[in-house]
Amino acid sequence: ETGVTQSPTHLIKTRGQQVTLRCSSQSGHNTVSWYQQALGQGPQFIFQYYREEENGRGNFPPRFSGLQFPNYSSELNVNALELDDSALYLCASSPAMRGRVDGYTFGSGTRLTVV
Amino acid sequence: RKEVEQDPGPFNVPEGATVAFNCTYSNSASQSFFWYRQDCRKEPKLLMSVYSSGNEDGRFTAQLNRASQYISLLIRDSKLSDSATYLCVVNRGGNTPLVFGKGTRLSVIA
Repeated sequence: ETGVTQSPTHLIKTRGQQVTLRCSSQSGHNTVSWYQQALGQGPQFIFQYYREEENGRGNFPPRFSGLQFPNYSSELNVNALELDDSALYLCASSPAMRGRVDGYTFGSGTRLTVV
Repeated sequence: RKEVEQDPGPFNVPEGATVAFNCTYSNSASQSFFWYRQDCRKEPKLLMSVYSSGNEDGRFTAQLNRASQYISLLIRDSKLSDSATYLCVVNRGGNTPLVFGKGTRLSVIA
């Protein structure tokens, strides 16, 4: 059973640029959630995708957008990058929209630095 | 007010010590409760779920007080390998997301 994989592992971007982060969910998991973890903070919920549709969103502006594909992998896109977007971006997959909450599996994250 | 509040620490304790972390949550609709462990620059990993009756897993004991909206984690006989950040996490059930506290940093010293 493969876990959640995220790419790239590290990324440096310039303010104003756009970035796409990728996540492959664990086999058998159809729900993907994205979290942003700034230094010294806990992860903050960005949004969740279930069967290719956004199914919940946290307090993030519209320049944070996402997609889920038929194979349940997902992308997080951030436009017009700001310095405060520098963070660890975590993807988590789970087996079902209303499944066991402790079925979440986190990827190792993408560390984004905006300069 | 943050939905989940934790003392950020750091807690610096000697090997073999007992250490306790506390957490409070503000949303009374919260249904599920967890402690996650996060090593430096790594992803969070589930340490244990927390039940109203209290639960134990080896050296780790978790307690939940729904009336006070308070969660605790006790670590006995601390090991160097316990050094990490411990995240208190709550969930309102269904398809709602996990809500994380800021984490409490623990350093176990030889």
